[in-house]
Amino acid sequence: DTGVSQNPRHKITKRGQNVTFRCDPISEHNRLYWYRQTLGQGPEFLTYFQNEAQLEKSRLLSDRFSAERPKGSFSTLEIQRTEQGDSAMYLCASSPSRGTDTQYFGPGTRLTVL
Amino acid sequence: AQRVTQPEKLLSVFKGAPVELKCNYSYSGSPELFWYVQYSRQRLQLLLRHISRESIKGFTADLNKGETSFHLKKPFAQEEDSAMYYCALSVPAGGTSYGKLTFGQGTILTVHP
Repeated sequence: DTGVSQNPRHKITKRGQNVTFRCDPISEHNRLYWYRQTLGQGPEFLTYFQNEAQLEKSRLLSDRFSAERPKGSFSTLEIQRTEQGDSAMYLCASSPSRGTDTQYFGPGTRLTVL
Repeated sequence: AQRVTQPEKLLSVFKGAPVELKCNYSYSGSPELFWYVQYSRQRLQLLLRHISRESIKGFTADLNKGETSFHLKKPFAQEEDSAMYYCALSVPAGGTSYGKLTFGQGTILTVHP
């Protein structure tokens, strides 16, 4: 499968625990995006990377959230001290970064914070 | 800040009927507009983008800058069109490349037999 992959697909955790999600983009894609989607809403932008550089972060990304893309390939999104309000679907997308490019989405990681 | 509004959360039509999913946006510059679709148990995927001026699966969408709208239309709906549809907007993030997408809340389309 050459599409965007995300792991794990589901994560259940207790409030206060730390969680980390992984995204593997399409191999030749330079740009990688993270979005969050809550029930009944469209996806909301969190952050994006051009290669290993994090170019923009949403104000939705509190200090408890950190994202990395250390070698410009896969990316991780970590949430520290999870809260019930963090429960959502976390989506990753990638694009080849040439002109106006389509973003290709992964299947998402569904986080439930108890 | 840019905003995308999809006024209908639910839309039901019968097979063979015309369908129009509404999308309005607010942005003062030159955005790029997209329609994304999510079929049951599948990932979000691009349906069409305004710069392509293509018809995908019988769907078309015209960007109306005067009305700031990008409505999605299909003359004859099919049962397999039942899905969640999201309108999205992208603005220049810097230079000539486009960056983040701003999505509407989505419209669930149900096509009845």
